[in-house]
Amino acid sequence: SAVISQKPSRDICQRGTSLTIQCQVDSQVTMMFWYRQQPGQSLTLIATANQGSEATYESGFVIDKFPISRPNLTFSTLTVSNMSPEDSSIYLCSVSQGANMNTEAFFGQGTRLTVV
Amino acid sequence: SQQGEEDPQALSIQEGENATMNCSYKTSINNLQWYRQNSGRGLVHLILIRSNEREKHSGRLRVTLDTSKKSSSLLITASRAADTASYFCATVDNYGQNFVFGPGTRLSVLP
Repeated sequence: SAVISQKPSRDICQRGTSLTIQCQVDSQVTMMFWYRQQPGQSLTLIATANQGSEATYESGFVIDKFPISRPNLTFSTLTVSNMSPEDSSIYLCSVSQGANMNTEAFFGQGTRLTVV
Repeated sequence: SQQGEEDPQALSIQEGENATMNCSYKTSINNLQWYRQNSGRGLVHLILIRSNEREKHSGRLRVTLDTSKKSSSLLITASRAADTASYFCATVDNYGQNFVFGPGTRLSVLP
C-alpha cells in the first residue's frame, strides 16, 4: 500500500491568484496522477505527473493553467493558476505502485478549493 | 472522457438492507475497480475484478462482471449507516493506461 499526504486540505483563495497543492508519498511510485472533482461530480483526470519530464495533460487541461512538477518518485505539486470561481473543486492526488493501472490506486485526502 | 455509467445516481435504503449499484462501460477493459468516497474526501479502493473474472467477494461486498454486456454490479449486503458514501466504478483499458471513473452512486443508509 501507499500512504499519501496531500496539502493543504482546503483553502479559500481570491480570484486571479494561484495555489500550489503538494502530494507526498511514503514510497517510490511509478505513476502519479492529478484529478479534479467538481461539486457533486465524478473525478476527471487532469494529468499524469512524470518524473523528470513534463506532465502529460488530458484534453481540456493545459500546462499554463495547471503546471505540475515531479522532481522525484515520491513527490509532486499541482498549481492552479490565475484562479476563477469555476476552479472551485476538490483536487486529488493519486498513485499506482505498478507500471500501469492494473492494480489498485491510492488517493490523497484531497484539497477542497474555493475561489471567491 | 468518462466511459463508465452508473445507476442509480442516488440510493437510499434502511440499515440491514442490501444495496446494489450498477456500472456500464463502452470499450474493452483489462479490469474494473470499485471505490468509495466519504464526504468529498479521498477515494478508498474496495475491490478489483479482472476481465477474465466473473465474480469476487470481499467481506460484505460482492462484485460481478459481465464483459459481454459491458457491465458490473456492486452489492453491499446487510448495509450499515457507516456505508453511507459515494461509490464509483473505474475501468482500466487493455493497455493498463487509461483509468476512467463513472459518475458515481450516492448511497444513503438510514439508521
